[in-house]
Amino acid sequence: EAGVTQFPSHSVIEKGQTVTLRCDPISGHDNLYWYRRVMGKEIKFLLHFVKESKQDESGMPNNRFLAERTGGTYSTLKVQPAELEDSGVYFCASRHRDDNTGELFFGEGSRLTVL
Amino acid sequence: ILNVEQSPQSLHVQEGDSTNFTCSFPSSNFYALHWYRWETAKSPEALFVMTLNGDEKKKGRISATLNTKEGYSYLYIKGSQPEDSATYLCAFMGVNFNKFYFGSGTKLNVKP
Repeated sequence: EAGVTQFPSHSVIEKGQTVTLRCDPISGHDNLYWYRRVMGKEIKFLLHFVKESKQDESGMPNNRFLAERTGGTYSTLKVQPAELEDSGVYFCASRHRDDNTGELFFGEGSRLTVL
Repeated sequence: ILNVEQSPQSLHVQEGDSTNFTCSFPSSNFYALHWYRWETAKSPEALFVMTLNGDEKKKGRISATLNTKEGYSYLYIKGSQPEDSATYLCAFMGVNFNKFYFGSGTKLNVKP
């Protein structure tokens, strides 16, 4: 079974540019989460999808961040325009719908560097 | 915003040493506590899912305990090996939420 995959693994952009990160969850996992780790600090929640619906987007830092999950399959996280403080590692994780305490399955993360 | 704290931040031990570290979380509205192991350049992988006060879980040389009333969990590694070197993350979920709050992690380095 394929795991959670993220693309790109590393992106270097200049301030003001746009970047789109993609996450493909494990097939059949309705729950999809985006997290971010900045400068070795804790992994912070960004948002949670159940299928194509945003269940909770309270962690999104501001309106420069836009997440979508069309069709309830893969998800994208767009940062436009990127700022220096957006640098960090963006993790995607998925979890099965019916397993409310079940473990999260993580991708390897997309490292974003904004210069 | 909930506070999940892990200590120590980093730990250096010799091969063969036993070690433990702590995860502190809110004691009210507890639903689940997870431990993840995160090796450099890889994705975090689940070690334990804990839901009941007093839970004790074990996987090989690694074990964990849970005290939901006082809001802490301990992770123990017996006879540390170099391959145990990783960052260990705990994640808390409350009853009213469907998201996990992570601690900053404990980075373990085991020297041969």
